Amino acid sequence: DQQVKQNSPSLSVQEGRISILNCDYTNSMFDYFLWYKKYPAEGPTFLISISSIKDKNEDGRFTVFLNKSAKHLSLHIVPSQPGDSAVYFCAASALSNDYKLSFGAGTTVTVRA
Amino acid sequence: DVKVTQSSRYLVKRTGEKVFLECVQDMDHENMFWYRQDPGLGLRLIYFSYDVKMKEKGDIPEGYSVSREKKERFSLILESASTNQTSMYLCASCTYGSQGGADTQYFGPGTRLTVL
Repeated sequence: DQQVKQNSPSLSVQEGRISILNCDYTNSMFDYFLWYKKYPAEGPTFLISISSIKDKNEDGRFTVFLNKSAKHLSLHIVPSQPGDSAVYFCAASALSNDYKLSFGAGTTVTVRA
Repeated sequence: DVKVTQSSRYLVKRTGEKVFLECVQDMDHENMFWYRQDPGLGLRLIYFSYDVKMKEKGDIPEGYSVSREKKERFSLILESASTNQTSMYLCASCTYGSQGGADTQYFGPGTRLTVL
């Protein structure tokens, strides 16, 4: 049973507009959340993370929001660029669980020129 | 820069063969992981290791074993490959971070394994 869910398998957005990717989790023990980006034929690369003690973390064009009561996080990319076209994975870990990461199924983002 | 390398990018094996997937990291990381990635399922943890000669089962260990004889190398073994093990296999490594937990994981490029 997947504990991290990304319910939108794909997202298409115009260049320059905002991309919003959503992620829901079921395990209340998760206390650290990450987003990874993956290009075809490459391994995932770390993008941004957030601890459960925060509700927002920003890094350049990327912002992650965490709503613990709703067990929901989102990734905002503003403005979207063609190079952002990739698969984005949401991941979560719990201090009590040997720091193993649980991943969502991924969302494929396509940025249209 | 952290580098995680995997021995093969593409591999084709026959049902029943023994398959070895090798992973090497150059950053002296304590923790190493093996995942498989399948469409619609994301990345699922097969095994991980937090020290030399130590291993722990992940979420889907059945049909797999691992070996970690040296800190930098973590091997995934398919004792008798089956068609349902056709997948993309990803290795990752990480150290312990400032939160007291595992830092972000660094991934290798993956091995696309096809079992015929």
